[in-house]
Amino acid sequence: ETGVTQTPRHLVMGMTNKKSLKCEQHLGHNAMYWYKQSAKKPLELMFVYNFKEQTENNSVPSRFSPECPNSSHLFLHLHTLQPEDSALYLCASSHARGQGGADTQYFGPGTRLTVL
Amino acid sequence: GQSLEQPSEVTAVEGAIVQINCTYQTSGFYGLSWYQQHDGGAPTFLSYNALDGLEETGRFSSFLSRSDSYGYLLLQELQMKDSASYFCAVFGNNAGNMLTFGGGTRLMVKP
Repeated sequence: ETGVTQTPRHLVMGMTNKKSLKCEQHLGHNAMYWYKQSAKKPLELMFVYNFKEQTENNSVPSRFSPECPNSSHLFLHLHTLQPEDSALYLCASSHARGQGGADTQYFGPGTRLTVL
Repeated sequence: GQSLEQPSEVTAVEGAIVQINCTYQTSGFYGLSWYQQHDGGAPTFLSYNALDGLEETGRFSSFLSRSDSYGYLLLQELQMKDSASYFCAVFGNNAGNMLTFGGGTRLMVKP
């Protein structure tokens, strides 16, 4: 158990659907991240939140919309996705920069997303 | 910006030693991390080197040479369960506190 949970673990959606991915961390961290992992490609950072504030949007299309209501929860809202958005979406958390341990990220198990 | 290079695949036999290399380019460098990811699983932290030299943790060791922008992960006494993907990642002084990951090295351990 990594202390970071993600739901759902698997999601199949059509291009016109709206769905949300949820991430929760129980590690007392103040930084949370969304990554996209496609086959044979490096982990792609999507969004970074520090103390509930978005500090990085890595040129992600607007059909992905993050939300961080508190330091323990992170959501990724999905709408009008494309088939090429099919991938494993990983959430991670860490201590915030300036705190000890900011260099180590703890990952959730991911949501395997398939867009039809 | 930051970029990392590591081999895409490595194959070794059970009981052997394998070294996975990582070279990086970065405008600001704090340290180099290694993560392990089994098929269908989440990446898990293995090690972090901020200073030059070798860090040993059980069967796994990680090395860093900042002057050469180079590091490696050394796995000894390989076991079948070590078959996984291994990612190096640079922790730098870019905005936020992001890690930049390499493409990963898929290690296959054979009997």
